[in-house]
Amino acid sequence: AQSVTQLDSQVPVFEEAPVELRCNYSSSVSVYLFWYVQYPNQGLQLLLKYLSGSTLVKGINGFEAEFNKSQTSFHLRKPSVHISDTAEYFCAVSDEDGGSQGNLIFGKGTKLSVKP
Amino acid sequence: NAGVTQTPKFQVLKTGQSMTLQCAQDMNHNSMYWYRQDPGMGLRLIYYSASEGTTDKGEVPNGYNVSRLNKREFSLRLESAAPSQTSVYFCASSVRRNQPQHFGDGTRLSIL
Repeated sequence: AQSVTQLDSQVPVFEEAPVELRCNYSSSVSVYLFWYVQYPNQGLQLLLKYLSGSTLVKGINGFEAEFNKSQTSFHLRKPSVHISDTAEYFCAVSDEDGGSQGNLIFGKGTKLSVKP
Repeated sequence: NAGVTQTPKFQVLKTGQSMTLQCAQDMNHNSMYWYRQDPGMGLRLIYYSASEGTTDKGEVPNGYNVSRLNKREFSLRLESAAPSQTSVYFCASSVRRNQPQHFGDGTRLSIL
């Protein structure tokens, strides 16, 4: 069975500083990987996805993530954060061939708090 | 450009009351999902429908029922609400089960 671990439940950072939100997954098959963002009192919004091809994936709002198969990681990065990036971020994994475990499996989330 | 629409946005119920949460998507997606989100618990899958005409239990199905009314609509029913079901409920849809999901804005449900 697949699983996702987001290593930090909360990450405080100052405005304009770089940030990395860590995500590790476990799977016996090839995977698709996703990052979602949830702003207060809103639903989840897709930030970026890795389905195939380049292991460096660029998303919206200046975020990027790198798929590292050997480390089974998909860490999210931004070189310079803004106050508006304050939100909760969720990593998710799914089975590439959409088999019996085909649903997305979500991590428990990381709350990013950007301070002025 | 509605995407996934959930109704109602807020609801307060008394213990033992029943209600149905509605969800509709206009993206011609095959798969639909119901999640609940509680502080510190992340998202937990209640039920999903891989395609029209099928429904399956997720991680936390007890106390809930679902109906996939047609390709667009997927409803969640609480037959006898309990305080433990106080939560924020999200509906989502995707082209296929392993593809990115699109989420609604949620229903905030309080059960007294």
